[in-house]
Amino acid sequence: AQSVSQHNHHVILSEAASLELGCNYSYGGTVNLFWYVQYPGQHLQLLLKYFSGDPLVKGIKGFEAEFIKSKFSFNLRKPSVQWSDTAEYFCAVNAGGGSQGNLIFGKGTKLSVKP
Amino acid sequence: DADVTQTPRNRITKTGKRIMLECSQTKGHDRMYWYRQDPGLGLQLIYYSFDVKDINKGEISDGYSVSRQAQAKFSLSLESAIPNQTALYFCATSDLWNNEQFFGPGTRLTVL
Repeated sequence: AQSVSQHNHHVILSEAASLELGCNYSYGGTVNLFWYVQYPGQHLQLLLKYFSGDPLVKGIKGFEAEFIKSKFSFNLRKPSVQWSDTAEYFCAVNAGGGSQGNLIFGKGTKLSVKP
Repeated sequence: DADVTQTPRNRITKTGKRIMLECSQTKGHDRMYWYRQDPGLGLQLIYYSFDVKDINKGEISDGYSVSRQAQAKFSLSLESAIPNQTALYFCATSDLWNNEQFFGPGTRLTVL
């Protein structure tokens, strides 16, 4: 069965530090890839997505992610975090791409940014 | 996303009670989903529906049932609630093309 692994359960950073959250998936075919963010007490919101084309995708609030097919990875990055980035981040994969299948979510990474 | 609404937003109930959580959407999407979220476990798919006549079990459907009353409405029922069903429940929708999902605000359910 397909799976999504997020390596870090909880990351603590100071403001202005750089961020990289890991995401690996287990599916060898076409995939659609997503990062969602959940701010405290709120629902999941889309941060960015990859369907095809340029493997470096830019999302909202200065986030970006790079799809590396050979590594089955889709890591999330931000050069300089802010206190307002404190949230839980979920990687999700749609195995098969397009309209096939369902999203498989990772277990999430909680990010705490110290002011 | 204001286009996906859930009622109630919070509910406290007792073991053995029947509970219905409702989801409505104005996005015009055919596909709707119910997830539960538990700390440290991420989102687990309970049921999904690709159109009004299509209902499918997800990874954790035991103890739950659903009803797709219309394209815009998808309800989740707990026939006889138990304490380990205490969780945050999210409804989501997606279009036919790429499975980008849009989430409702969630329902926090506590079963005593």
